[in-house]
Amino acid sequence: ETGVTQTPRHLVMGMTNKKSLKCEQHLGHNAMYWYKQSAKKPLELMFVYNFKEQTENNSVPSRFSPECPNSSHLFLHLHTLQPEDSALYLCASSQEIGGVTQYFGPGTRLLVL
Amino acid sequence: QKEVEQNSGPLSVPEGAIASLNCTYSDRGSQSFFWYRQYSGKSPELIMFIYSNGDKEDGRFTAQLNKASQYVSLLIRDSQPSDSATYLCAVRFSGNTPLVFGKGTRLSVIA
Repeated sequence: ETGVTQTPRHLVMGMTNKKSLKCEQHLGHNAMYWYKQSAKKPLELMFVYNFKEQTENNSVPSRFSPECPNSSHLFLHLHTLQPEDSALYLCASSQEIGGVTQYFGPGTRLLVL
Repeated sequence: QKEVEQNSGPLSVPEGAIASLNCTYSDRGSQSFFWYRQYSGKSPELIMFIYSNGDKEDGRFTAQLNKASQYVSLLIRDSQPSDSATYLCAVRFSGNTPLVFGKGTRLSVIA
């Protein structure tokens, strides 16, 4: 496994639930990312943080709310999700945005019922 | 619109053969090109990157870049069943911008 950890690894939630995904990197990187990976679709970049500041939001619905309290931690708060939001959510980090080596966490497999 | 295109496959090759994975991208000014491997149920891991036209070799892997044709490929020599995975092409189009990923090509190496 890499220096990027994610919890939980699996999550099942109802459409009215509120849950949070957590990502932590131990690599001293300054940039962190949330991606969504659905079957038969490319990796979709959701959010980018650089030095704790959000630099990119790729038209993500407001039911997904990111939080980056420091350069090592990244959260994705989920509320009133839809079944089509079921996917693998991957966190990644790199030394800087678009850095040579972007490390991915193991992902959270989310199922929305 | 920045796009990275890959044939989704599956690409099936016999063990010991050369697997050739291809990727095209939309912006001629793109700077950096990456190949990630993703095993089923796992997260992507970087296996190669290339910046300059030509070939770059690392063990059984060779990345080939042709900027004029906006084409990057990955060759895997002496393919092994353990190489069976989805291979993602990623491009950094400019400056300090996030990588844009293709859909990936699923490779199956048959023993």
